[in-house]
Amino acid sequence: NAGVTQTPKFQVLKTGQSMTLQCAQDMNHEYMSWYRQDPGMGLRLIHYSVGAGITDQGEVPNGYNVSRSTTEDFPLRLLSAAPSQTSVYFCASSPRDMRSSYNSPLHFGNGTRLTVT
Amino acid sequence: SQQGEEDPQALSIQEGENATMNCSYKTSINNLQWYRQNSGRGLVHLILIRSNEREKHSGRLRVTLDTSKKSSSLLITASRAADTASYFCATVDYGGATNKLIFGTGTLLAVQP
Repeated sequence: NAGVTQTPKFQVLKTGQSMTLQCAQDMNHEYMSWYRQDPGMGLRLIHYSVGAGITDQGEVPNGYNVSRSTTEDFPLRLLSAAPSQTSVYFCASSPRDMRSSYNSPLHFGNGTRLTVT
Repeated sequence: SQQGEEDPQALSIQEGENATMNCSYKTSINNLQWYRQNSGRGLVHLILIRSNEREKHSGRLRVTLDTSKKSSSLLITASRAADTASYFCATVDYGGATNKLIFGTGTLLAVQP
């Protein structure tokens, strides 16, 4: 199993450009999520999904769109990039949703480092 | 807003010493998780402690949970240079019935050989 795969690893955008960060998992996980990590801020949840066709907002959703058409894929779209979106983006998945009484650790990808100039 | 806050923000110790990191959170929880992040990598799950547990062990890791104080601690015994990483606690706001796993700001641990 590859686990959680994120592409690209690095990306530089100009302000106003759009792009999609890809995330795929091959573990048949129900739950998928996107975080951004900034120095001194820890990880902040952008969007999450509890299954195909179901998405919801996290702590910092503005400027980002997501969709979940399949169990495996959960792309993150930046429609009009801004310098404030310069960050490292992590995708993570879990077998069950976060309210499950059973152990549901997140499995993380290795991140996409995005710079917006 | 951050659900968990780790303390200290940074910790430097010698190999062989013990490292203790603390996490405080704000709301009622179902469980609390600890993760490790090596530089330039994604986070790796270390251990989960449920709200009805007070202490849990995994190898050289010991986690405690005090729900009355809304705090948890992670102890790494006999530390090694390879333990150098950032450590994060994470919780779900159980009372809010959300599906959001919220992370703290992390403790950066440096283990000197």
